[in-house]
Amino acid sequence: SAVISQKPSRDICQRGTSLTIQCQVDSQVTMMFWYRQQPGQSLTLIATANQGSEATYESGFVIDKFPISRPNLTFSTLTVSNMSPEDSSIYLCSVAVTDYPGGGTQYFGPGTRLTVL
Amino acid sequence: DAKTTQPNSMESNEEEPVHLPCNHSTISGTDYIHWYRQLPSQGPEYVIHGLTSNVNNRMASLAIAEDRKSSTLILHRATLRDAAVYYCILYYNQGGKLIFGQGTELSVKP
Repeated sequence: SAVISQKPSRDICQRGTSLTIQCQVDSQVTMMFWYRQQPGQSLTLIATANQGSEATYESGFVIDKFPISRPNLTFSTLTVSNMSPEDSSIYLCSVAVTDYPGGGTQYFGPGTRLTVL
Repeated sequence: DAKTTQPNSMESNEEEPVHLPCNHSTISGTDYIHWYRQLPSQGPEYVIHGLTSNVNNRMASLAIAEDRKSSTLILHRATLRDAAVYYCILYYNQGGKLIFGQGTELSVKP
C-alpha cells in the first residue's frame, strides 16, 4: 500500500495567479499521476509524472498550463498556471503499486480543493 | 479505448445486498476489471479487481460474466458508510493509468 499526502488541502486564489500543489508518498513508487475533478464530475487524468523526465500529458492538457515536476520517487508537484475560474476543481495525486502480475493498485491522495475567484 | 457503462445512480437499504452492474462490451483480452469507490470529500479507494474469475475480498465480491462483457460488484450487506460513487474501470496494462467513467452514485437508506 501507499500513503499519500497533499499540500495545500485547499486554497482560494485570484485569477491570473499560479498555485503549486505538492504530493508526498511514504514509499518509493515508479508511477505517479495527477487528476482533476471538476465540481460534480468524475476524475480526469491530467498527466503521468515521470521521474527524471518530462511528464506525459493527456489530450487537452499542456505543460505550459500544468507544469509538473518529479524530482524523485516519493515527491511530485503540479502547478496550475495563469488560473481562471474554470480551473476551480479538486486536484488529486495518485500512485500505482504493481502488486500483481500484469497490473497494480492505485492509491489516491486526499485532494487539493482549489477555488479561483 | 475500451469504455464502461454504469447506471448513474442506485439506491439500497441498509443491511441488504447491493448489486452494481457494469457493461464493458469492448473489453480486450488483457484488460483487468477494476472497481474503485469515492466516499464524499475523499479521494477514490480501491475496492476489488479481476480478470476472468469471480473474486472475493473483505470489502466486496466481483462477478464477471463468462464473455467478460459485463461485471457486477456485490456488496453483501450495505452500510451507511458504503454510500459513495462506485467506478468500474478497465485497467490498461501500459503505464498503469486509470481512465474514470461517470460511475454509479450509491445511496444507502437506513
